[in-house]
Amino acid sequence: RKEVEQDPGPFNVPEGATVAFNCTYSNSASQSFFWYRQDCRKEPKLLMSVYSSGNEDGRFTAQLNRASQYISLLIRDSKLSDSATYLCVVTDGGATNKLIFGTGTLLAVQP
Amino acid sequence: NAGVTQTPKFRILKIGQSMTLQCTQDMNHNYMYWYRQDPGMGLKLIYYSVGAGITDKGEVPNGYNVSRSTTEDFPLRLELAAPSQTSVYFCASSYLGGANTEAFFGQGTRLTVV
Repeated sequence: RKEVEQDPGPFNVPEGATVAFNCTYSNSASQSFFWYRQDCRKEPKLLMSVYSSGNEDGRFTAQLNRASQYISLLIRDSKLSDSATYLCVVTDGGATNKLIFGTGTLLAVQP
Repeated sequence: NAGVTQTPKFRILKIGQSMTLQCTQDMNHNYMYWYRQDPGMGLKLIYYSVGAGITDKGEVPNGYNVSRSTTEDFPLRLELAAPSQTSVYFCASSYLGGANTEAFFGQGTRLTVV
C-alpha cells in the first residue's frame, strides 16, 4: 500500500464548478498534513496546511479525519487559473518527520 | 532572499558520465530534500538531510550520493548516469521538516541521459 494515495485524475470541470479531491495516508503516526499545488513544468508550492479542525482559505477548504486517515480539499467556484496538479503531502510520522508526497491529481478547469 | 537555488536548469548527459546537481538555500533551514519526478508521475524522495553532516536515504537512493557539509548546500551526485535517471530533479528545504512548516522548492533540474 502506498503511503499517500490520491484520487486518480484528471478532473475536467467547467468554470464555477465545485470540485473535491481526496487523499488517504497509511501511517497513523503522521502528524502534519498539507496540500501543494504544482503548475505544469514548475516546482510544487504550498497551497495550504490542513488542521485537525478543518480550515478555509477563500475558495479552498481542507478537512482532516484522523480516525479514517483521510484528507480532503474542496475548491468552490473554480477558476481557469486553478488548473494544476494538487499534491497531498503528509509527514511520515517517524523521528525525522520528513515529507511524503502523493502522486497528485490533475485538475483542468474548462471555460 | 533567493530561497532555494538549483543549478543547472537543464543538462544532457551521456550514459556512464557523472555530474553533480547543486542546491543551495539561504533561509537557514535545517531540513533539505532531493526528489525526482518522472513525466506524469509524483515526487519520489531520493535523499534527505536533517542538518549539516547528517544524511539519509529516501525511497529511490540507488545511483545517487549526497553530502551536507554546510547548512546551505546539499549537492546530489550522479555516478555512471543511466537512461533510467532521466527525470526532473527538485531540491527542497524546510525549517523543521513537518509540523506546519512550509517546504520551499527550487525550480528543478531537467536531466536527460542519452
